[in-house]
Amino acid sequence: DARVTQTPRHKVTEMGQEVTMRCQPILGHNTVFWYRQTMMQGLELLAYFRNRAPLDDSGMPKDRFSAEMPDATLATLKIQPSEPRDSAVYFCASGLAIGQGPKMNTEAFFGQGTRLTVV
Amino acid sequence: EDKVVQSPLSLVVHEGDTVTLNCSYEVTNFRSLLWYKQEKKAPTFLFMLTSSGIEKKSGRLSSILDKKELFSILNITATQTGDSAIYLCAVEAGQGAQKLVFGQGTRLTINP
Repeated sequence: DARVTQTPRHKVTEMGQEVTMRCQPILGHNTVFWYRQTMMQGLELLAYFRNRAPLDDSGMPKDRFSAEMPDATLATLKIQPSEPRDSAVYFCASGLAIGQGPKMNTEAFFGQGTRLTVV
Repeated sequence: EDKVVQSPLSLVVHEGDTVTLNCSYEVTNFRSLLWYKQEKKAPTFLFMLTSSGIEKKSGRLSSILDKKELFSILNITATQTGDSAIYLCAVEAGQGAQKLVFGQGTRLTINP
């Protein structure tokens, strides 16, 4: 049963510490999204990748957030230094876009999320 | 800036009622509109709509897209307590490579 896997599921950390969240997209998917969900803002797109290349990270605070895809099976989202306002659930989603155009051919499948609490 | 707006933000009804959830959008280069249901954890996919006027149906849920008026509705008939969830609308859009932009969601509560 193919699924998006995120680790850790929960993370509590102190302000100022580095946090790294990991995502294993569904095998064969070439598009990976990172979202942050809070009660106030809903689901916000932080960054996304197509064929491992970052396409848009305008939703991320650049001074502290970074997103990478070191290989096709791993996407990472790093926060350094973390702040209490970063507390949220972080979701990774993957999908497939094929052919010449950029259109997605499948819906985005979500991981279970990482619940981050920064104290 | 691409924008997806859902209404209402919150809805409470009794079991058996029919509900209609709304999603309007203003985006560049629209490609598709998707509906998701989120209970306790990850959003799960319901529908993907790309063409105007064609209803998609799955059991008691149905959805339709109007690309002229830039909105979609999600209908749930004969609601059950298990339908209680946040319903999310997302639009695939953007210049160049498309991205998925989500609305705020509608929190639906079905009371027995």
